[in-house]
Amino acid sequence: DTAVSQTPKYLVTQMGNDKSIKCEQNLGHDTMYWYKQDSKKFLKIMFSYNNKELIINETVPNRFSPKSPDKAHLNLHINSLELGDSAVYFCASSWRGQYQPQHFGDGTRLSIL
Amino acid sequence: GQQLNQSPQSMFIQEGEDVSMNCTSSSIFNTWLWYKQDPGEGPVLLIALYKAGELTSNGRLTAQFGITRKDSFLNISASIPSDVGIYFCAGPNSGGYQKVTFGTGTKLQVIP
Repeated sequence: DTAVSQTPKYLVTQMGNDKSIKCEQNLGHDTMYWYKQDSKKFLKIMFSYNNKELIINETVPNRFSPKSPDKAHLNLHINSLELGDSAVYFCASSWRGQYQPQHFGDGTRLSIL
Repeated sequence: GQQLNQSPQSMFIQEGEDVSMNCTSSSIFNTWLWYKQDPGEGPVLLIALYKAGELTSNGRLTAQFGITRKDSFLNISASIPSDVGIYFCAGPNSGGYQKVTFGTGTKLQVIP
């Protein structure tokens, strides 16, 4: 059983479109995250939710809006896509706590044409 | 903000060789995590270190929490082709207690 699953795995779309990425975890964790990995493989946190409450919101353009309907799901909606949004987006989950290791999904590869 | 620099940035080694890589920080960390990312997949936790000086093994992998708490090391013994991937160190960010900073990564290629 996949622990953290993201859909879609690949997303190719035109500049200016709006798209969503979905994430679900079946580990029972109470905290979920979105990361962006750029072309140089650098991983950077974007958002984190704990029990549906936003607890981390990095300096991300407000075109990116996360939504957590329940603690097992965290979706990412992106409006007005730009070329610079091309990257791999990873969802992760963990227990709340500073030292809790995170479990990652396999990523969504977003390509903007 | 906090930065974690990993070296080397990339390395090519022969199958069977031992590998060493390290991670250094500009500030103190209380936890060090080592992840591996296989091509096309998400990072997977290899080893977690919680105490300065701690040495922990996971099969052929051994990681150490540096005494200064500003560095950590990962060694892989007798490398095999499936060790290929990017190795990341990570640690909790002092700027927020759920935030984790990831290192710049070490890309490992193993030549059979």
